[in-house]
Amino acid sequence: DVKVTQSSRYLVKRTGEKVFLECVQDMDHENMFWYRQDPGLGLRLIYFSYDVKMKEKGDIPEGYSVSREKKERFSLILESASTNQTSMYLCASSLGEGGAEKLFFGSGTQLSVL
Amino acid sequence: GIQVEQSPPDLILQEGANSTLRCNFSDSVNNLQWFHQNPWGQLINLFYIPSGTKQNGRLSATTVATERYSLLYISSSQTTDSGVYFCAVLETTDKLIFGTGTRLQVFP
Repeated sequence: DVKVTQSSRYLVKRTGEKVFLECVQDMDHENMFWYRQDPGLGLRLIYFSYDVKMKEKGDIPEGYSVSREKKERFSLILESASTNQTSMYLCASSLGEGGAEKLFFGSGTQLSVL
Repeated sequence: GIQVEQSPPDLILQEGANSTLRCNFSDSVNNLQWFHQNPWGQLINLFYIPSGTKQNGRLSATTVATERYSLLYISSSQTTDSGVYFCAVLETTDKLIFGTGTRLQVFP
């Protein structure tokens, strides 16, 4: 089975801090994604990557950046955390071109920014 | 962009009941997936079903791509089926667009 691992289940940070959310997948998947999930807004795509050192903006990239130095690892960076970035963050991966394959999710990181 | 609507938004069942969840989408798609998010937040991929019918145990799904809808059937529901069910479709820009989900509660 595919395993997508997110480094923290719960995280509490202060406004203005730089925050790193790490995600690792173990099935040699080409594609990796970061979503955030908020009540009433569903899942929204922040950034995605189809290859090492490649990144594409999703629907809500403002205030975020990403890094993919190795195929198995995709990091989400909050340059200066703000309270409106309090959310559940979900990492996902899939095999194949264009994200058009079955998507597998990590267990999520609940981030609180105080 | 493509719109994805799910119905009903909420569903309450007693154990053993059957249910049908619906997903409508506004444009042609090549990729449709159903997910279950358990009460602890974990999203599990149930089906990859751009067209046709698939079955996995008590769950089955049917997508009629020409009519732009998909159905998820849950038979003999159990308390462990509780959670939120999402469908997601692939936009031409290669992004999966998620519906707003159906929240299912199954009581013993």
